[in-house]
Amino acid sequence: NAGVTQTPKFQVLKTGQSMTLQCAQDMNHEYMSWYRQDPGMGLRLIHYSVGAGITDQGEVPNGYNVSRSTTEDFPLRLLSAAPSQTSVYFCASTRTGYASPLHFGNGTRLTVT
Amino acid sequence: GQQVMQIPQYQHVQEGEDFTTYCNSSTTLSNIQWYKQRPGGHPVFLIQLVKSGEVKKQKRLTFQFGEAKKNSSLHITATQTTDVGTYFCAGGAGGSYIPTFGRGTSLIVHP
Repeated sequence: NAGVTQTPKFQVLKTGQSMTLQCAQDMNHEYMSWYRQDPGMGLRLIHYSVGAGITDQGEVPNGYNVSRSTTEDFPLRLLSAAPSQTSVYFCASTRTGYASPLHFGNGTRLTVT
Repeated sequence: GQQVMQIPQYQHVQEGEDFTTYCNSSTTLSNIQWYKQRPGGHPVFLIQLVKSGEVKKQKRLTFQFGEAKKNSSLHITATQTTDVGTYFCAGGAGGSYIPTFGRGTSLIVHP
C-alpha cells in the first residue's frame, strides 16, 4: 500500500497564479482532509470530505477550493495564490465512524512570491 | 468552538532528561490522539486514548487522559536524540472523527 500520496513535494508560485495540489489514497478511506502548517500555528484544517461528492469547510478555507469526484482523490486548488498561502500542506485520510487515526501524506511545501 | 491548547511550545532538554507536554481542551473530549512529526516529515499517529483516567505506555512514552476528559499529557522518560520532533495532541468531541489539533510542542534534545 502506498498510503496517502501527495504531489508535488515542492512548488514555487507567483502571486496570482493558480495551481492544484494532488492527494490520493489507496486505503478506501471515506474521510479526507487538507491541513496547512505554519510555524507556531500547528495544523489548521482547510477543507474536508466524508465521501465522494461531499465536501465541507474547515477552519481556514478562504482562497482554496476542493472537490471529491472519487473516493481515492481529493485535490486542493489555489485559485489566485497569495504570499499568505506560503505554507506546508498536508493531506490526511481516515475511516469515518468513530475516531480513527489520521494517515498523513508527505506534504507539499509551497512558496508564493 | 472547541479549542485545544498545548504547552509548552518548545522544550530543550539534555539527552537523558525527562520531557512532558500537556494538552488542555475547552470542552470535554470523547478521545485524544497523539502524533509525532520529525523535522521535515509528516505527522505520524502514536496513540489514542478514550477512557477517563486512561494511561497507556509505549516503551519510554507514557500517555495519560484526565479524569474529566479535558486534558492529557505525554511524558518521555530519559530522552534520546531520536525523540526530537514536534508532538501534537488532537482532541475529538462527541462522535466527530475530525480532531482539533493543538499547536504542538517541539522537543529539542541536546546530546
